[in-house]
Amino acid sequence: AQSVTQLDSQVPVFEEAPVELRCNYSSSVSVYLFWYVQYPNQGLQLLLKYLSGSTLVKGINGFEAEFNKSQTSFHLRKPSVHISDTAEYFCAVSDQGNQGGKLIFGQGTELSVKP
Amino acid sequence: ETGVTQTPRHLVMGMTNKKSLKCEQHLGHNAMYWYKQSAKKPLELMFVYNFKEQTENNSVPSRFSPECPNSSHLFLHLHTLQPEDSALYLCASSKVGSGDTQYFGPGTRLTVL
Repeated sequence: AQSVTQLDSQVPVFEEAPVELRCNYSSSVSVYLFWYVQYPNQGLQLLLKYLSGSTLVKGINGFEAEFNKSQTSFHLRKPSVHISDTAEYFCAVSDQGNQGGKLIFGQGTELSVKP
Repeated sequence: ETGVTQTPRHLVMGMTNKKSLKCEQHLGHNAMYWYKQSAKKPLELMFVYNFKEQTENNSVPSRFSPECPNSSHLFLHLHTLQPEDSALYLCASSKVGSGDTQYFGPGTRLTVL
């Protein structure tokens, strides 16, 4: 069975500072990895995804993530955050062999950007 | 209209009511999903439909009844709910076999009194 752990439930940071949101997964098979963002009272929006190829993935809004197979991690980073990045961020994994795929989500990390 | 839409956005119902949530996707996808998002808990997958066939039912109580008449529409019929069913219900869709990237609707905020 797969699982996803987001190591920090809340991350407070000042505007223009760098941020890293941590995500570790466990799986016995090859996986796809995703980061989603959820703004208040909205659904989830895809930030970026790793399917194959380069382990450094760039997404929207200046975010990027690096797939590290040996450490089973997929941490999300941004070099300089804005107030508008305040939201909840979810890491998710799906089994590459699972067509019509079930996504397993982490518990979420609440990013709070302060002026 | 683009993406994944959900109606209504907000719903308040009593425990004896019957109501339905609607989801529509305009992305040409062939898989659709219902998730439940409760406060301080991870998203819970409820149902999966691939090509209109239900392929996953995650031990959801029978007071939730899904319906998928075609690849673009998904319903969640609700009856005799409990207060603990109050949550944000999210619909998503994906194209089977393309990395299964799921795209989400804005959700329906359900309150059961």
